[in-house]
Amino acid sequence: QKEVEQDPGPLSVPEGAIVSLNCTYSNSAFQYFMWYRQYSRKGPELLMYTYSSGNKEDGRFTAQVDKSSKYISLFIRDSQPSDSATYLCAMSENRNAGKSTFGDGTTLTVKP
Amino acid sequence: NAGVMQNPRHLVRRRGQEARLRCSPMKGHSHVYWYRQLPEEGLKFMVYLQKENIIDESGMPKERFSAEFPKEGPSILRIQQVVRGDSAAYFCASSPSVAGSRDEQYFGPGTRLTVT
Repeated sequence: QKEVEQDPGPLSVPEGAIVSLNCTYSNSAFQYFMWYRQYSRKGPELLMYTYSSGNKEDGRFTAQVDKSSKYISLFIRDSQPSDSATYLCAMSENRNAGKSTFGDGTTLTVKP
Repeated sequence: NAGVMQNPRHLVRRRGQEARLRCSPMKGHSHVYWYRQLPEEGLKFMVYLQKENIIDESGMPKERFSAEFPKEGPSILRIQQVVRGDSAAYFCASSPSVAGSRDEQYFGPGTRLTVT
């Protein structure tokens, strides 16, 4: 069993929709949670970074962490065609570990 | 401010040859990470280095793979005697040297290795 499981998708939504992307994890030592966006044939770009349960908002993006359920989510409001990409969740045990464990990614397409 | 730089962007090697992938971290970053991404899969951690030190190589295959980050110059991921299964995208990331910021990793564009 993988340490991090991500909803595989692909996901296709109309422009303006609210998108929910989800990951579960089994390692209770994970304390830091990240979301990356990766465009085709590009490197991952850090979107959100959080270390506590609850919500963190940044513009149209909200990251939600529920450590008791070992579940994290990324919400995208008012989705745009430019949001079409693969979204990767990532986790690490502590800030000094260096190593991050990634989900396999969810590919999102936002249709105009 | 230049981001993480990787070269070459594309590399083709025949089975049995050596592949050398280079990574220059962002200015001011002294922590480097290498990840491998197979098609339709997420990134898999390989190795974490600081200048002249390997901190965590738990994701590195035991044979044929090595990494270094010398005092001067880029980090190098070296794959000896490549096989077809080594074909993948190899990403380098770097993070700040400031204590407590190590997990904010910034990725380069990757090197796509094809073994024929």
